[in-house]
Amino acid sequence: GAGVSQSPSNKVTEKGKDVELRCDPISGHTALYWYRQSLGQGLEFLIYFQGNSAPDKSGLPSDRFSAERTGGSVSTLTIQRTQQEDSAVYLCASSSRSHQPQHFGDGTRLSIL
Amino acid sequence: RKEVEQDPGPFNVPEGATVAFNCTYSNSASQSFFWYRQDCRKEPKLLMSVYSSGNEDGRFTAQLNRASQYISLLIRDSKLSDSATYLCVVNTNAGKSTFGDGTTLTVKP
Repeated sequence: GAGVSQSPSNKVTEKGKDVELRCDPISGHTALYWYRQSLGQGLEFLIYFQGNSAPDKSGLPSDRFSAERTGGSVSTLTIQRTQQEDSAVYLCASSSRSHQPQHFGDGTRLSIL
Repeated sequence: RKEVEQDPGPFNVPEGATVAFNCTYSNSASQSFFWYRQDCRKEPKLLMSVYSSGNEDGRFTAQLNRASQYISLLIRDSKLSDSATYLCVVNTNAGKSTFGDGTTLTVKP
């Protein structure tokens, strides 16, 4: 079956521009997570959605980062006024519900020039 | 102190060796635990869940010690294909996940 789908696969943009990253979770999965991973580093938690509950935004590094999840399915992560330190791979994962294993997308590799 | 800590390694072992990784966590209210593997420039993939009674999947054994707040992964009869970074994951009671930074394993012929 279809796994977690992320788009774009790669994004190169200039410093100061806004970017939008998309995540399409596995159908029926109620939990959705965003992480970022810099080269050679571990996964950094960004935000977690569970059903209709308020998202856990505790990992968002600044107010330039925001995310939404429409209709309990597709999620978009928006980074405004990008900075070079935002360059990383952004990974999305979903699970059937909280405390179940997460399934990851291939990630979006973001490069800020 | 990080919420989830792993020995980064690297662990370099010969084929056929047995290797063990530990992972400690700080939140005593943590409820679910997993091991993932991540190959270079790839996304993490679930290796196995970790249950209180311990569990085994072929050459892999995972254990949880709630009293000491650590989980472990044992790999027996290492294969070249086991070379990867192994990530432990801890979920809080609210469902938020924290990943360790990973332990790198290289299995050599």
